Amino acid sequence: GNSVTQMEGPVTLSEEAFLTINCTYTATGYPSLFWYVQYPGEGLQLLLKATKADDKGSNKGFEATYRKETTSFHLEKGSVQVSDSAVYFCALSDDKIIFGKGTRLHILP
Amino acid sequence: DTGVSQDPRHKITKRGQNVTFRCDPISEHNRLYWYRQTLGQGPEFLTYFQNEAQLEKSRLLSDRFSAERPKGSFSTLEIQRTEQGDSAMYLCASSSRTGGNEKLFFGSGTQLSVL
Repeated sequence: GNSVTQMEGPVTLSEEAFLTINCTYTATGYPSLFWYVQYPGEGLQLLLKATKADDKGSNKGFEATYRKETTSFHLEKGSVQVSDSAVYFCALSDDKIIFGKGTRLHILP
Repeated sequence: DTGVSQDPRHKITKRGQNVTFRCDPISEHNRLYWYRQTLGQGPEFLTYFQNEAQLEKSRLLSDRFSAERPKGSFSTLEIQRTEQGDSAMYLCASSSRTGGNEKLFFGSGTQLSVL
């Protein structure tokens, strides 16, 4: 069946560092891909999405590009802030939406 | 837009008891999802509805779990004969799906503790 695999955390970085969180997927067909974020004490919310190959989703300085050839959707940010500390979930939709296990990100001031 | 509402926020029960959770989605949303999340894990898909029709139930889900969305509005998730392994956060999410474009709005969840 369809699945999402993302890098295990926690990931700890200093403020202004470059961030990459890897995500790969297995799917039949051409799913839509998403990154959701869960800030401390809050519910999950959509961060960005891409619906077809080579699309780039972006929001709040985060970016991810839908790579069909490598079945990947890695999350990147050029300069992280303390406020980016959260758990990040990669997800795909082949009709229903399924999530990866999440990657906890800690940003140190 | 009042958001997705879940009730109760917390439930403590004894093993073997039945529990029922309620989810009220955003009013115009036609899709409703139930997920389960344990500490350090991502949301695990349980089931989802389009209007009142249940489209899929996870094959990993025991027959003790059942969900309904009788009028295509609110939904209930019932767990019969609870076990300690059922302890988790139960999340509801809704969306207004158009084509392949879908954004889930999550409720705050119901935290279940089975003693």
